[in-house]
Amino acid sequence: ELKVEQNPLFLSMQEGKNYTIYCNYSTTSDRLYWYRQDPGKSLESLFVLLSNGAVKQEGRLMASLDTKARLSTLHITAAVHDLSATYFCAVVRYNNNDMRFGAGTRLTVKP
Amino acid sequence: ETGVTQTPRHLVMGMTNKKSLKCEQHLGHNAMYWYKQSAKKPLELMFVYSLEERVENNSVPSRFSPECPNSSHLFLHLHTLQPEDSALYLCASSSGTATNEKLFFGSGTQLSVL
Repeated sequence: ELKVEQNPLFLSMQEGKNYTIYCNYSTTSDRLYWYRQDPGKSLESLFVLLSNGAVKQEGRLMASLDTKARLSTLHITAAVHDLSATYFCAVVRYNNNDMRFGAGTRLTVKP
Repeated sequence: ETGVTQTPRHLVMGMTNKKSLKCEQHLGHNAMYWYKQSAKKPLELMFVYSLEERVENNSVPSRFSPECPNSSHLFLHLHTLQPEDSALYLCASSSGTATNEKLFFGSGTQLSVL
């Protein structure tokens, strides 16, 4: 069974600091997603990672994928308050429509 | 606005009621999904429809009954629910179910079962 684990589940950080969220998954996958969810709102797609070594960056967020280690990271650079949200990774197995989500990392960026 | 609209936003129902959740997508997508988001569990896939045919059903109890009359509309019919079914129900769509397709989510229906 495909399992997706994120850590940490809760993250409180100061503005201007850097931090990394980790996403581990248990079986072979052909794509990995990162989503953001603001309180009371829906999920917004951030990144889709399709191959080993894939790296994507947008603003202060950078996501990477290591398929051999079955690990993706979401790195936050010089955090700002607007990044406060819950971040989810999600994994899809080969030839399968089932997207499995991690439990989410609730990020709070303090001034 | 993601182009996926869900109604109602909030729903309170008794265990003997019958209600329906509605989802509409304006993106020209061919695949639609129902997800359940509970307070203490990761997002769970419930149903997947591709070109109006159900292609995935993750062992969801029969008190949840999906309907996809066309590629733009998706319903989730609810009857004799249990309090543990209280959750946020999210609809999503994608242009297909193949590689590199990302999901576009609606705002969800917050369901409370009394």
